Amino acid sequence: DQQVKQNSPSLSVQEGRISILNCDYTNSMFDYFLWYKKYPAEGPTFLISISSIKDKNEDGRFTVFLNKSAKHLSLHIVPSQPGDSAVYFCAPRDSGTYKYIFGTGTRLKVLA
Amino acid sequence: EADIYQTPRYLVIGTGKKITLECSQTMGHDKMYWYQQDPGMELHLIHYSYGVNSTEKGDLSSESTVSRIRTEHFPLTLESARPSHTSQYLCASSDRGAGQSEAFFGQGTRLTVV
Repeated sequence: DQQVKQNSPSLSVQEGRISILNCDYTNSMFDYFLWYKKYPAEGPTFLISISSIKDKNEDGRFTVFLNKSAKHLSLHIVPSQPGDSAVYFCAPRDSGTYKYIFGTGTRLKVLA
Repeated sequence: EADIYQTPRYLVIGTGKKITLECSQTMGHDKMYWYQQDPGMELHLIHYSYGVNSTEKGDLSSESTVSRIRTEHFPLTLESARPSHTSQYLCASSDRGAGQSEAFFGQGTRLTVV
């Protein structure tokens, strides 16, 4: 049973426009929700996180929104740049076990 | 810059060989993790540790084993490698400090068993 789902396997966006990546979850025990960026043959790089007690966190071009009632979060990247092209993983942390549960990932392609 | 290191980066090995993938971190983190990722798929947790002498199986069953004799070191061992073990193996660590939420990942080891 998949606890974390990213329903869009891929997304293409024009440079300068907004990229919106979505993530749905089922576990109510998650205390932090993290986004990672990953290139092939490399480890994931942490981007931004949000606490379960917040509904928005912003860091430069990256903003994460959390809707706890809908068990949904999204990552907004604006403006999108070609260097943002990568696979993005949503990875909530279980507050009891400190395990990070990764979603299936969304491959973002930013077109120049 | 995260101080967590994995060696080797790439490994091609024959069936039946014993291998150990190394992972070390210099951040003093108590928690460490091993994830496995097949191409185009999600990361699956196969082992984790809360501290020295603590190891737990992850959510995905794995024939590998781990040990945590020192805080900074969390090696993964396959006693007899098989082609089905071909995958990318990612090590991570995290801290329980206040406000600290993220896990830091190493560069990964891409294992190919022929």
